[in-house]
Amino acid sequence: EPEVTQTPSHQVTQMGQEVILRCVPISNHLYFYWYRQILGQKVEFLVSFYNNEISEKSEIFDDQFSVERPDGSNFTLKIRSTKLEDSAMYFCASRVGLPTDTQYFGPGTRLTVL
Amino acid sequence: AQSVTQLGSHVSVSEGALVLLRCNYSSSVPPYLFWYVQYPNQGLQLLLKYTSAATLVKGINGFEAEFKKSETSFHLTKPSAHMSDAAEYFCAVSEGQNFVFGPGTRLSVLP
Repeated sequence: EPEVTQTPSHQVTQMGQEVILRCVPISNHLYFYWYRQILGQKVEFLVSFYNNEISEKSEIFDDQFSVERPDGSNFTLKIRSTKLEDSAMYFCASRVGLPTDTQYFGPGTRLTVL
Repeated sequence: AQSVTQLGSHVSVSEGALVLLRCNYSSSVPPYLFWYVQYPNQGLQLLLKYTSAATLVKGINGFEAEFKKSETSFHLTKPSAHMSDAAEYFCAVSEGQNFVFGPGTRLSVLP
């Protein structure tokens, strides 16, 4: 069964450094998402991406964040200058297209900012 | 904006007992509702979803949920809890192209 994959599974970085989190969505899906989950808290929407551009973003997704689909398979989340409070699990998700379609989630990347 | 509330951040049941996890939503349009499960150190896995067909939805692992428009609820149930059901459960409503998640309910199953 196709699945969303994410790399790395765990990323440790120093405050102020740039990080890039990578995702490979399911191949026939058209909508891509990033969510964040701070330890012990709810899953928070960051951004959705369709047709090579951002379709929606939350207040969390400020100028420090960017997303890109550099080729036909990868979908990346970049944090330009990490802060301690960026430490969280980051989940990528994808779905075919309709609001009724299931969003399929990747296993997540645990980001630790020191 | 749509929102989701889940009553009870932590629910404990005995093995074999009924599981009831509550979810209420607010939506100005007919909602699409989802339940996801998150096992420790894993991603989110879909349990079931409501997309305006049958109001009683059956999902994986013996779970089901009933959409009640009059109560704006979508509670998740399972007749008999198993130890392997211990996990975090999230209710979500589809809003536009993204999901709004509830705060989650941690289910503990006691032997």
